[in-house]
Amino acid sequence: GAGVSQSPSNKVTEKGKDVELRCDPISGHTALYWYRQSLGQGLEFLIYFQGNSAPDKSGLPSDRFSAERTGGSVSTLTIQRTQQEDSAVYLCASSLASGSSTEAFFGQGTRLTVV
Amino acid sequence: EDQVTQSPEALRLQEGESSSLNCSYTVSGLRGLFWYRQDPGKGPEFLFTLYSAGEEKEKERLKATLTKKESFLHITAPKPEDSATYLCAVHLSSGANNLFFGTGTRLTVIP
Repeated sequence: GAGVSQSPSNKVTEKGKDVELRCDPISGHTALYWYRQSLGQGLEFLIYFQGNSAPDKSGLPSDRFSAERTGGSVSTLTIQRTQQEDSAVYLCASSLASGSSTEAFFGQGTRLTVV
Repeated sequence: EDQVTQSPEALRLQEGESSSLNCSYTVSGLRGLFWYRQDPGKGPEFLFTLYSAGEEKEKERLKATLTKKESFLHITAPKPEDSATYLCAVHLSSGANNLFFGTGTRLTVIP
């Protein structure tokens, strides 16, 4: 597809369960970001991937959160033992590169609800 | 501490009533400033990138400008379809990889 694709679009899970969120970036984009947006809040940076470099995990809120990017393309964000405060919209974005500060294009997000 | 502040938090305009949204920033170094539009239930949609003070970009009824301390998003003769939340983000030159976002201005244009 032409844009960033995220799945699922909505996810309801029980507290304590693990969830996986998927992001398909724009083809050819080497940089990939995950953000979290809570109701009425700004976008909170989670993790950044650039090519084959080690990811920047500085925004991950706890060790329950992890992410990987396979083959420099698809990325999966995993949240283990979900808590109610994890409820938010999780947004993925991709860009051509970070060094030149090119614009990032976002997907539609995955709305996670922990009950 | 790096900060991005957007004002006002919310703005209601009559159709055709021009106005400006503000994004002020105090950062250690700016690599780029971005404006996004976000509709309810959707991801942010890229609008503009500005790199240096004095730069301006235009698209339809929107014009973005940049100074050393702030950016403005000017909306000329807005229409109801311009209603959305407008987000400002900065890319720091300090080595941080992420875009640092403000909390946005929620714009409502009344017919």
